[in-house]
Amino acid sequence: AQSVAQPEDQVNVAEGNPLTVKCTYSVSGNPYLFWYVQYPNRGLQFLLKYITGDNLVKGSYGFEAEFNKSQTSFHLKKPSALVSDSALYFCAVRDRGDSGGYQKVTFGIGTKLQVIP
Amino acid sequence: GAVVSQHPSWVICKSGTSVKIECRSLDFQATTMFWYRQFPKQSLMLMATSNEGSKATYEQGVEKDKFLINHASLTLSTLTVTSAHPEDSSFYICSARVGISGNTIYFGEGSWLTVV
Repeated sequence: AQSVAQPEDQVNVAEGNPLTVKCTYSVSGNPYLFWYVQYPNRGLQFLLKYITGDNLVKGSYGFEAEFNKSQTSFHLKKPSALVSDSALYFCAVRDRGDSGGYQKVTFGIGTKLQVIP
Repeated sequence: GAVVSQHPSWVICKSGTSVKIECRSLDFQATTMFWYRQFPKQSLMLMATSNEGSKATYEQGVEKDKFLINHASLTLSTLTVTSAHPEDSSFYICSARVGISGNTIYFGEGSWLTVV
């Protein structure tokens, strides 16, 4: 069964410092990987995805993530954190499904990012 | 860890019929559950927030008479797509919040609905 682990319930970072939100995954085949952000009282918003190609993926709001196949990781990063980045971040994986059929999406439990002014 | 079970994983139904999707929190109580819909190549869109024992709060543009949500217990919320049309074909996913105001949210694995 596929799974996603976000090992940190909360990440605190000072404004202007780089941030990393960790995600590791397990999937039987090749993965599609996603990051979503949820601001208070809002639905999930898509940040970025890895499908194929370059391991470094750039997304919305200055975020990027690096796909590391050997470490089965897809950590979310940003060079300089903003207070407005404070939110709940979810990592998700889906089997690419090269063998066909319907593929389920598995989400991590979320990591709360708190950017301190 | 906590598990949210969503059933069915995929369903095909005829136009005009209704289909029910269940979202269950298996080992925790969820006073709040969320229903999302994802169109191809787009992000998840929040449809409604379901609170146990009260009416769901629907997002703007979501027809509450078409997408009936019932959160009858602390472990079960259901989404019923009534009088389904082919344009309702989509991926529907639920999530459940642990406790009353916790930060931890668990997602179901989604349900693929195809209306033919």
